[in-house]
Amino acid sequence: DVKVTQSSRYLVKRTGEKVFLECVQDMDHENMFWYRQDPGLGLRLIYFSYDVKMKEKGDIPEGYSVSREKKERFSLILESASTNQTSMYLCASSLRGTGSSEQFFGPGTRLTVL
Amino acid sequence: RKEVEQDPGPFNVPEGATVAFNCTYSNSASQSFFWYRQDCRKEPKLLMSVYSSGNEDGRFTAQLNRASQYISLLIRDSKLSDSATYLCVVETSYDKVIFGPGTSLSVIP
Repeated sequence: DVKVTQSSRYLVKRTGEKVFLECVQDMDHENMFWYRQDPGLGLRLIYFSYDVKMKEKGDIPEGYSVSREKKERFSLILESASTNQTSMYLCASSLRGTGSSEQFFGPGTRLTVL
Repeated sequence: RKEVEQDPGPFNVPEGATVAFNCTYSNSASQSFFWYRQDCRKEPKLLMSVYSSGNEDGRFTAQLNRASQYISLLIRDSKLSDSATYLCVVETSYDKVIFGPGTSLSVIP
């Protein structure tokens, strides 16, 4: 079974802090994604990566950066956390290929910024 | 207009009922289509892909109408365990997908 793990289930940070969210997948997937999920807005793509050291902006990249130094690990960084970044953050991975393949999600990190 | 739209519900239906969810998408070049299911406080998981010819998996039937840019999911003989949020997902380009906001279903005893 594919397993996608995220470093924390719940996180509380203060405004202005630097926040690291880690995601690891164990199925050798090329693609990795970071989403945030908010009520009424659904999942919105922040950043994605098709390969090591490669990153692409999603729909809402402002205030975030990412790092992919190893194939299995994709990190989301909030350089200076703000209250509007309070959300559920979901990491996902998938195999590369046309016809799209299933995205496998981690359990999510619920981040609260005070 | 949002790229993928769904009726948010909630849909409250009795056990055994048939319920249908609709989804519309704006990008006519979209290539692949899916329904994901998300249980309360859990991550989304793939329910089924949607093919042009329509496809069925047990009590679940998915249909695609490319001309109208419309996708549907039909659930027959609803079970309590079907209670969840159903996400319509559209692949807009190579390996990139857009998730709809989801439709909430509660199946009532």
